[in-house]
Amino acid sequence: DIHLTQSPSFLSASVGDRVTITCRASQGISSYLAWYQQKPGKAPKLLIYAASTLQSGVPSRFSGSGSGTEFTLTIGSLQPEDSATYYCQQLSSYPLTFGGGTKVEIK
Amino acid sequence: EVQLVQSGAEVKKPGESLKISCKGSGYSFSNYWIGWVRQMPGKGLEWMGIIYPGDSDTRYSPSFQGQVTISADKSISTAYLQWSSLQASDTAIYYCARRGGQLEWFDPWGQGTLVTVSS
Repeated sequence: DIHLTQSPSFLSASVGDRVTITCRASQGISSYLAWYQQKPGKAPKLLIYAASTLQSGVPSRFSGSGSGTEFTLTIGSLQPEDSATYYCQQLSSYPLTFGGGTKVEIK
Repeated sequence: EVQLVQSGAEVKKPGESLKISCKGSGYSFSNYWIGWVRQMPGKGLEWMGIIYPGDSDTRYSPSFQGQVTISADKSISTAYLQWSSLQASDTAIYYCARRGGQLEWFDPWGQGTLVTVSS
């Protein structure tokens, strides 16, 4: 199985801050990585696919980068509505594992 | 609009069986994989398995192989997740989600089904 390690597991930042979340894969997955946002009581929502492609309708302050084993999700200017938990998922091989999640809190 | 609608919340006793559903609409159900994801209370997302309704090709995570059964009825655009004997540890929210194709991501997701197993 491919293991995904997300860091940090929790972060607290202020509105307007630039925030970066890292996802490391235990083996190379090319660009087969997606990022999801989950708010309390809601289903996950796709933000980024193919490591760096923004899903339609997602604000442009979100961006993704990376390939191989190291990936990042960046929120360019944190907004109050970005308070959520963020997950990465590898889509390279079964089982399609998720990272442990990063909870983002607004100070 | 592509949509997945899941069946409602369930409360069951240990040892009981259960089958929950996920109905797709707004697209050709047979041609897209449907995956299932577990979220235990206060925990992260766990990928359980996936089915291709067109030919019922099914893959399971080793963690869930033998514990659940994934199936689909393409005639009514519905995928299923079932248990033959529930345990308290199966208490969780279960999500279904559509996969665009091999190597592709999951979007959209169903609203989730809360399964509570308690004596």
